Amino acid sequence: EPEVTQTPSHQVTQMGQEVILRCVPISNHLYFYWYRQILGQKVEFLVSFYNNEISEKSEIFDDQFSVERPDGSNFTLKIRSTKLEDSAMYFCASRGEQRSTMRNTFGSGTRLTVV
Amino acid sequence: SQQGEEDPQALSIQEGENATMNCSYKTSINNLQWYRQNSGRGLVHLILIRSNEREKHSGRLRVTLDTSKKSSSLLITASRAADTASYFCATSPGSEKLVFGKGTKLTVNP
Repeated sequence: EPEVTQTPSHQVTQMGQEVILRCVPISNHLYFYWYRQILGQKVEFLVSFYNNEISEKSEIFDDQFSVERPDGSNFTLKIRSTKLEDSAMYFCASRGEQRSTMRNTFGSGTRLTVV
Repeated sequence: SQQGEEDPQALSIQEGENATMNCSYKTSINNLQWYRQNSGRGLVHLILIRSNEREKHSGRLRVTLDTSKKSSSLLITASRAADTASYFCATSPGSEKLVFGKGTKLTVNP
């Protein structure tokens, strides 16, 4: 079964540093997402991306965050200047065309620890 | 309750018993999905039920959806120790995002 692949699985970074989290969505999917889950809390939506632009973003997704699909296969989340509170598990997801019938497939996540 | 709110928050049962988890939501939806998450791991999609469906089965899983009550239930029959995980419902309230509940932490004791 096709998978969404995320790298790295773990990332430790110092506060104020930039990080890039990488995802390879399923190849024929058109919609791409980032979610995060702070330890012990809900999974929260960050951003959706379609047709090479952001289609929706949450309040969490401020100017410190950006997304990019640089080469037609990778989908990246960049955090410009990390804060302690950015420590979380970040999940990438993708889905095909039809919202009513197509499930979202999630990657196994990148655990980001900001120290 | 918030969109995609599960109950109970925690459930502990013996192997072989059935486990039922409930989810309530507030707005109209296109579909409702259930996910499983093993501790510290990724989200595994279990089942999707569309807004015009009332019940769906997949192996030992049975999901019901009552749009008039804005609620869904996930039943796991003949549970196994390997079913120990957190279970989340997620709704798509007319936009691109999925809204997750806080989840039910299921423990199946051998």
